[in-house]
Amino acid sequence: KQEVTQIPAALSVPEGENLVLNCSFTDSAIYNLQWFRQDPGKGLTSLLLIQSSQREQTSGRLNASLDKSSGRSTLYIAASQPGDSATYLCAVRGNTPLVFGKGTRLSVIA
Amino acid sequence: GAVVSQHPSWVICKSGTSVKIECRSLDFQATTMFWYRQFPKQSLMLMATSNEGSKATYEQGVEKDKFLINHASLTLSTLTVTSAHPEDSSFYICSAKGAGETQYFGPGTRLLVL
Repeated sequence: KQEVTQIPAALSVPEGENLVLNCSFTDSAIYNLQWFRQDPGKGLTSLLLIQSSQREQTSGRLNASLDKSSGRSTLYIAASQPGDSATYLCAVRGNTPLVFGKGTRLSVIA
Repeated sequence: GAVVSQHPSWVICKSGTSVKIECRSLDFQATTMFWYRQFPKQSLMLMATSNEGSKATYEQGVEKDKFLINHASLTLSTLTVTSAHPEDSSFYICSAKGAGETQYFGPGTRLLVL
């Protein structure tokens, strides 16, 4: 059974810092991995989707990498801003629907 | 882009009553819909998968007689929480998938059972 773990569970950084969020998964037989953002009490916003054949995806200040063989992905956020404060969820898709990690709660302090 | 809506966005009900939540794909045909539940500070947990016109497949530990799922058309799935109790209070999020592999998520429905 696929399990997804995200570290750290919470992170607080001053504005302007670069930061890395980590995601690991137990079953490397995946089709893709997706990073989402969730604001308090809200639904999900898809940030980046990496297919299993890809190594990384970039969107603006966000860069996600995937090392399928080791079961790891990272989300790199450059020049963090207070508006980046949210919970970031990692999810993997294999032969099942998306399986989510518990998320990393990010606070960017102005 | 693909849009999924949910209605209502939030609902408060008395214990013992039933609540229906709708999930619609607005601009694509959803052959498969998924229902997730999220408790505070927890991740999304898959409850069930439904394909249009067939019975839903429930995850282990999810009571199919309590959480009734109907996927009667390619754009609509409903989740009915029957005889709701306070422990059913949660954030329910649906997701829809068309011909491709991408799952598109609705904005969620917050249920509070008093």
